[in-house]
Amino acid sequence: GEQVEQLPSILRVQEGSSASINCSYEDSASNYFPWYKQEPGENPKLIIDIRSNMERKQIQELIVLLDKKAKRFSLHITDTQPGDSAMYFCAASGSTNAYKVIFGKGTHLHVLP
Amino acid sequence: DPKIIQKPKYLVAVTGSEKILICEQYLGHNAMYWYRQSAKKPLEFMFSYSYQKLMDNQTASSRFQPQSSKKNHLDLQITALKPDDSATYFCASSQEDRGLEQYFGPGTRLTVL
Repeated sequence: GEQVEQLPSILRVQEGSSASINCSYEDSASNYFPWYKQEPGENPKLIIDIRSNMERKQIQELIVLLDKKAKRFSLHITDTQPGDSAMYFCAASGSTNAYKVIFGKGTHLHVLP
Repeated sequence: DPKIIQKPKYLVAVTGSEKILICEQYLGHNAMYWYRQSAKKPLEFMFSYSYQKLMDNQTASSRFQPQSSKKNHLDLQITALKPDDSATYFCASSQEDRGLEQYFGPGTRLTVL
């Protein structure tokens, strides 16, 4: 299987709080997990990624966790700001039989003032 | 300066016609991809090319044909257009194989009437 499940589809949080998005994958050969942010009318932009040799990665307010045994990974945005409102996509790639990235269906994050 | 160019930005076509979507990348990457995004299927992988060689094709219809005349070009020819083909088509590229760190172009929004 090559599906990537992403939850929730819609997430509303208060400004200053944390937001968490969870993803799971099926292909145990996956070894690269990027996260993309897409604003309305724009292209997806890579914001953070993690490889299978890591369990945690942080870039400023973005934290990514990877649990290879459970085949789950997650994005945590701390101290959310209105500018964080956007669509977020998780993805998985590195399967041995493809050059493709499988994306989740996206999470629409709304940061409420 | 934009590093990935997609032309045109907007495209309107009639059912049954044929169109070519242009993609050029100036990032020095050796792998290029096409994705489709619509309300029904966000960020759907279509094709991947590495060194101008087709690596993966997840598009069931032969109406979609990628064309690579140069290493940094990957155009998408669509024939016998249908209204269901209406979507935003994103080109992406990466330096490493297997889809790592893909960067997306601005997209071509196609509307088929």
